[in-house]
Amino acid sequence: DAGVIQSPRHEVTEMGQEVTLRCKPISGHNSLFWYRQTMMRGLELLIYFNNNVPIDDSGMPEDRFSAKMPNASFSTLKIQPSEPRDSAVYFCASNRANSPLHFGNGTRLTVT
Amino acid sequence: KNQVEQSPQSLIILEGKNCTLQCNYTVSPFSNLRWYKQDTGRGPVSLTIMTFSENTKSNGRYTATLDADTKQSSLHITASQLSDSASYICVVSASSYNDMRFGAGTRLTVKP
Repeated sequence: DAGVIQSPRHEVTEMGQEVTLRCKPISGHNSLFWYRQTMMRGLELLIYFNNNVPIDDSGMPEDRFSAKMPNASFSTLKIQPSEPRDSAVYFCASNRANSPLHFGNGTRLTVT
Repeated sequence: KNQVEQSPQSLIILEGKNCTLQCNYTVSPFSNLRWYKQDTGRGPVSLTIMTFSENTKSNGRYTATLDADTKQSSLHITASQLSDSASYICVVSASSYNDMRFGAGTRLTVKP
């Protein structure tokens, strides 16, 4: 199994631009999570999906953030417009019931 | 206040030495506790899972303990290796298996 695949690995953009992060979960996993990691705040849950349906999006910081999961094998996290304080590493993770989270290697986002 | 507190925040040890990382939690009700290892530039990877009835569990040179009464867990690393240099994150699940609370992590550096 290739594991959770995220793209791009690095993204540098200017303030105000739209950013789209992509994730392919492990086949057979029915839950998908988006996390943001910073030195100051550690790992923060942004949103998670169960069977492609958003269950908890209380961690999404603002309306500028949106996430979709159109099918079981693909999810996107979009930031529009981006701001410098959005700079962080964004992780996607997936699992099935009572199994550990499997994380991708993250997307390092830098907004200048 | 974070419901999962880890200590120390960072630790430096010499190769071959043992060390113990601590995790205290207030999450209730409690379902399970996992320790994750996060190498630089990678996503976290699960090391162990502890449920309410388990006191200790080993995974190679890693041994996790759990005291559900005092709500404390520890991760003991024996005969440390340079490859053990990483962040170690304690994650506690509440009643719902996907209701996970993350500690801020302990950054371990093993020096030759």
